[in-house]
Amino acid sequence: GDSVTQMEGPVTLSEEAFLTINCTYTATGYPSLFWYVQYPGEGLQLLLKATKADDKGSNKGFEATYRKETTSFHLEKGSVQVSDSAVYFCALSALGSNYKLTFGKGTLLTVNP
Amino acid sequence: DADVTQTPRNRITKTGKRIMLECSQTKGHDRMYWYRQDPGLGLRLIYYSFDVKDINKGEISDGYSVSRQAQAKFSLSLESAIPNQTALYFCATRSRTGNTIYFGEGSWLTVV
Repeated sequence: GDSVTQMEGPVTLSEEAFLTINCTYTATGYPSLFWYVQYPGEGLQLLLKATKADDKGSNKGFEATYRKETTSFHLEKGSVQVSDSAVYFCALSALGSNYKLTFGKGTLLTVNP
Repeated sequence: DADVTQTPRNRITKTGKRIMLECSQTKGHDRMYWYRQDPGLGLRLIYYSFDVKDINKGEISDGYSVSRQAQAKFSLSLESAIPNQTALYFCATRSRTGNTIYFGEGSWLTVV
């Protein structure tokens, strides 16, 4: 079945540091890939997505590139801010699973001033 | 106003009680989902529905039931709540042709 593996946290960075959160996947067929973010006390928000190989999703300074050859979708940001502190979830959606979202376990990011 | 609305947002209930979580959406989507979130486990799918007459079990459906009262409404019930059902529950929707799932703000349920 489909699965998503993302780096375990927590991750603690200083403001303006570079962020990478690794995400790899296994899927039946050709999935769409997503990063969702959950800020403290809030629900899930779609951060970015990519639907085909070599697509780059980007939003709020975050980027992730769909790498089919390595089955990866790593999240990056060049300079994090305190306001980026949140839990980040990598997820996939594939035809073979009726487009249900399969999530990774989440990575807690804390950014200190 | 939120496109996907969950009620209640917070609820504390006792073991053995019946509790219903409700979800309504204004996005016009026909696909609806219920997930639960537990720390360190991510989100896991409880039930999903492709339309009013099509309801399917997810990976952790035991102890839960659902009802799709209309295209816009999808409720989750715990017939006899137990403490390990304490979690954050999310409703979500997707259109038939789209690949993005949109989430509600979540319902915190505590079973004591």
